Amino acid sequence: KAGVTQTPRYLIKTRGQQVTLSCSPISGHRSVSWYQQTPGQGLQFLFEYFSETQRNKGNFPGRFSGRQFSNSRSEMNVSTLELGDSALYLCASSTGYRDTEAFFGQGTRLTVV
Amino acid sequence: QKEVEQDPGPLSVPEGAIVSLNCTYSNSAFQYFMWYRQYSRKGPELLMYTYSSGNKEDGRFTAQVDKSSKYISLFIRDSQPSDSATYLCAMIDDYKLSFGAGTTVTVRA
Repeated sequence: KAGVTQTPRYLIKTRGQQVTLSCSPISGHRSVSWYQQTPGQGLQFLFEYFSETQRNKGNFPGRFSGRQFSNSRSEMNVSTLELGDSALYLCASSTGYRDTEAFFGQGTRLTVV
Repeated sequence: QKEVEQDPGPLSVPEGAIVSLNCTYSNSAFQYFMWYRQYSRKGPELLMYTYSSGNKEDGRFTAQVDKSSKYISLFIRDSQPSDSATYLCAMIDDYKLSFGAGTTVTVRA
């Protein structure tokens, strides 16, 4: 069974640019959530999608947005990149029900210069 | 105060020792608890998933939950150098995972 696939694995962008990250969940999973991991703040929740609907959102500025497609694949977009957006972005896949586990991808490491 | 508190360590133990990790939390809405292991530059890997108070064993790993004290633990028996990693506790509420800071563990051969 294939795991959670995130692309690309590494990205280098310039301040002010925008970036789109992609996540393909485990087959049959309908929920995708996104997290930002930095050495200073640890893992922080960005947002969660289930069947193309955002069910929860973390405390991040509006520059961070996401969407989910009918095949459950999800994309995350960050506009007007800042140096502080440099982080490992992780997506997690689950069935979407309250009592199930979440499985993570390998992450996309974004560096903003 | 953070919702989930976890001592970041680092923790260094000799091979074969028992590793003891723990987290405390403040949100009574947390009902489901997970432990993840994360190697450097990799995504977190799910180790244990628990719901009810008590113990759950899986091989060398034992997870404990005490909801009355809002305290969870992970024990690793017969630790191996390959167990050297960062261990993260996580809790679910409203489809969102809240993580501890992670404890970095080194098992010395």
